[in-house]
Amino acid sequence: NAGVMQNPRHLVRRRGQEARLRCSPMKGHSHVYWYRQLPEEGLKFMVYLQKENIIDESGMPKERFSAEFPKEGPSILRIQQVVRGDSAAYFCASSPSEGEAFFGQGTRLTVV
Amino acid sequence: AQSVTQPDIHITVSEGASLELRCNYSYGATPYLFWYVQSPGQGLQLLLKYFSGDTLVQGIKGFEAEFKRSQSSFNLRKPSVHWSDAAEYFCAVTNAGNMLTFGGGTRLMVKP
Repeated sequence: NAGVMQNPRHLVRRRGQEARLRCSPMKGHSHVYWYRQLPEEGLKFMVYLQKENIIDESGMPKERFSAEFPKEGPSILRIQQVVRGDSAAYFCASSPSEGEAFFGQGTRLTVV
Repeated sequence: AQSVTQPDIHITVSEGASLELRCNYSYGATPYLFWYVQSPGQGLQLLLKYFSGDTLVQGIKGFEAEFKRSQSSFNLRKPSVHWSDAAEYFCAVTNAGNMLTFGGGTRLMVKP
């Protein structure tokens, strides 16, 4: 059973471009969580999704950020018009219903 | 709102010495508590968790943690540190599910 797969591992974007981060949960996991880790800080919860539904997006910035978890395919975290302050590591975790969450290795976004 | 404090940003110990990493939480109800380890450039690996029952929890890699309700603490311990334990350690709390609130992390360095 492969772990949580995130791609790309590293992403460089120029200011104003769009960033798309992908997360394939572990097999059998229907819950996905996105976290952001700013440099020298802990992880901050962003959004919790189940298949085709956003359950809690209380940690998502109000503008430019969106997330989806379609019926088929990976979960996508989308950042439009990136700015330098978006540079961070973005981690995805998945779980089966209320079970333990497993984390992916993260996508490190650098905005230049 | 729940919060987690890890008072020590950096800790250096000698190989073979004992280790204790502090974690204090603020939460109204009985929390679910976790310790994760993050090696450089990697994702998070769960070391141990406390949901209920015995307040002394055993984890992987020889780590243990003790839940002390009266002190709102969940400190991580290891009797003898190995050089491979050098990493960043995060304490986290949740009321249920996997929307975790993380502490700021403690970076552990191990001297030979």
